Amino acid sequence: DTEVTQTPKHLVMGMTNKKSLKCEQHMGHRAMYWYKQKAKKPPELMFVYSYEKLSINESVPSRFSPECPNSSLLNLHLHALQPEDSALYLCASSQEAGADTQYFGPGTRLTVL
Amino acid sequence: AQSVTQLDSHVSVSEGTPVLLRCNYSSSYSPSLFWYVQHPNKGLQLLLKYTSAATLVKGINGFEAEFKKSETSFHLTKPSAHMSDAAEYFCVVTSTGFQKLVFGTGTRLLVSP
Repeated sequence: DTEVTQTPKHLVMGMTNKKSLKCEQHMGHRAMYWYKQKAKKPPELMFVYSYEKLSINESVPSRFSPECPNSSLLNLHLHALQPEDSALYLCASSQEAGADTQYFGPGTRLTVL
Repeated sequence: AQSVTQLDSHVSVSEGTPVLLRCNYSSSYSPSLFWYVQHPNKGLQLLLKYTSAATLVKGINGFEAEFKKSETSFHLTKPSAHMSDAAEYFCVVTSTGFQKLVFGTGTRLLVSP
């Protein structure tokens, strides 16, 4: 099974709201990733977790706050977002951080009003 | 440094004709190369992966790619296009020890009846 699940599928939020995106995998992978994808563009890496520790933060604004409660779960907490943050947010996982194959979830389509 | 160039932003084919999506890469190390496909409003699905075991890599749905070190290319082919192949295709490179994937800009494949 190479499934990564993400909830919710769609999210609409105002600029003053606080919301969270959730990602889950049960493949025993020790690396998990958050990407942001704008329309007609490739995904852009935001964060990498390796063995539940944040290993890469690609200079993402603090209004995005990642959390890895355990090896199977990855959250992205959102607060005071801007309309330009509207995008498809993709989660991925791999056996180890590095050249291992990354398996992507279906994404959460976020709209910030 | 690593980089990927997808030589065509759009490729149009007729159903039943061959598909060729072109990708050139640059890597200072022995690369791992991937092709991912993304259907509209979906996550990325792995088509195939090259990791130096064999230069001709077979993937899912009849796709294959050939690694040519002398040409630094990793072109994706399929003998006969199907309507369901219409999607965005990303060529991706990474290397052992690197935690990041480097994405090409994508090629949109259009398939007409």
